[in-house]
Amino acid sequence: AQKITQTQPGMFVQEKEAVTLDCTYDTSDPSYGLFWYKQPSSGEMIFLIYQGSYDQQNATEGRYSLNFQKARKSANLVISASQLGDSAMYFCAMREGGESNYQLIWGAGTKLIIKP
Amino acid sequence: NAGVTQTPKFRILKIGQSMTLQCTQDMNHNYMYWYRQDPGMGLKLIYYSVGAGITDKGEVPNGYNVSRSTTEDFPLRLELAAPSQTSVYFCASSYQTGYTEAFFGQGTRLTVV
Repeated sequence: AQKITQTQPGMFVQEKEAVTLDCTYDTSDPSYGLFWYKQPSSGEMIFLIYQGSYDQQNATEGRYSLNFQKARKSANLVISASQLGDSAMYFCAMREGGESNYQLIWGAGTKLIIKP
Repeated sequence: NAGVTQTPKFRILKIGQSMTLQCTQDMNHNYMYWYRQDPGMGLKLIYYSVGAGITDKGEVPNGYNVSRSTTEDFPLRLELAAPSQTSVYFCASSYQTGYTEAFFGQGTRLTVV
């Protein structure tokens, strides 16, 4: 079974609109962390935001926020006021367990295209 | 602000050839990782290291080897290249493990023909 599922292979959004990128996860471990990374066409992976399973509040970083719904096992990324530079691949990833687990499990990604 | 530097950026190998992908970081991070990214897929962990002299296998280690003689460098060695190793390879580092973000290099696009 997929541990990280990103159901939107691609999305088109009008510039300045808000966009939500979906991510659902599957784990039985009570301790885990969820990450979002951006991969522009230049290829590098850029960290955007992190949410821990025990965090009481949804994470926010500038225009990025994470809509964390623990009971539904979803960790959607919300980008407010989208910009042309937001066009990229977006990956959701999860690390399970404690600090001895080094592996990030990645979703297949969503390609976001911002239209002017 | 060099961060994580990978070389080369692109490489074409013939089946059976060997090569080393170089990775160096200047952030004094203990933890370093090698991932591969196949088309339309997320990243998969090949090897990781928790410090100089210590390495361990990730999810997909077959066909690869690593070494970590210094904190800064974490080269990935491909022996007897196969078409299945055609992929984009990313090196990453992090200050801690657990729930801190990793910093990535720009990737190496490898084609085995």
